[in-house]
Amino acid sequence: GAVVSQHPSRVICKSGTSVKIECRSLDFQATTMFWYRQFPKQSLMLMATSNEGSKATYEQGVEKDKFLINHASLTLSTLTVTSAHPEDSSFYICSARVSGRAVDEQYFGPGTRLTVT
Amino acid sequence: LAKTTQPISMDSYEGQEVNITCSHNNIATNDYITWYQQFPSQGPRFIIQGYKTKVTNEVASLFIPADRKSSTLSLPRVSLSDTAVYYCLVGDDGSGNTGKLIFGQGTTLQVKP
Repeated sequence: GAVVSQHPSRVICKSGTSVKIECRSLDFQATTMFWYRQFPKQSLMLMATSNEGSKATYEQGVEKDKFLINHASLTLSTLTVTSAHPEDSSFYICSARVSGRAVDEQYFGPGTRLTVT
Repeated sequence: LAKTTQPISMDSYEGQEVNITCSHNNIATNDYITWYQQFPSQGPRFIIQGYKTKVTNEVASLFIPADRKSSTLSLPRVSLSDTAVYYCLVGDDGSGNTGKLIFGQGTTLQVKP
């Protein structure tokens, strides 16, 4: 149980275009999902917290108009990188927080490798 | 959120027990300690979580002293496939806070044959 999927696993896009990444909790409901970005040989950096049915909360320094997050259902959150540039090339990872548990449990997706040319 | 400090890297040999210690001096009463494992180009994988004393599962043990200002992840008899980055995180118990997990630098474990 507690499987999180991401789609696509890898994407290459041209500079100036937008890319949407999906994060799904396959066998559980997640009222909260998180989006991270990871550059090579670095740790994960939290970008935003995505709550079902409400606006995402962005970490300091993350542009909310550039990284659009939508959490329309209890099993799906999407991250759209708008007007992508080469510096946006990174590994994007989502996690889903299990609802209704006394102890906080989060499960991570396999990640999406974005390359902007 | 409590900050964590871990060694940047560790080396070990196959079959040995590996202990990775994490410091979290500012841990709050409601905080749990969670360890994740990450292989290159993959999302982190949950290893173990605990609040105090000792927790053991099929892959690892977690030792937490009474003051909870540190914790030690113990991997018994490591193999080459245990080569990965290990992250220690301290987060709330989900009782009403955001549930955010802030990743530190992690410990890169290299297991040698």
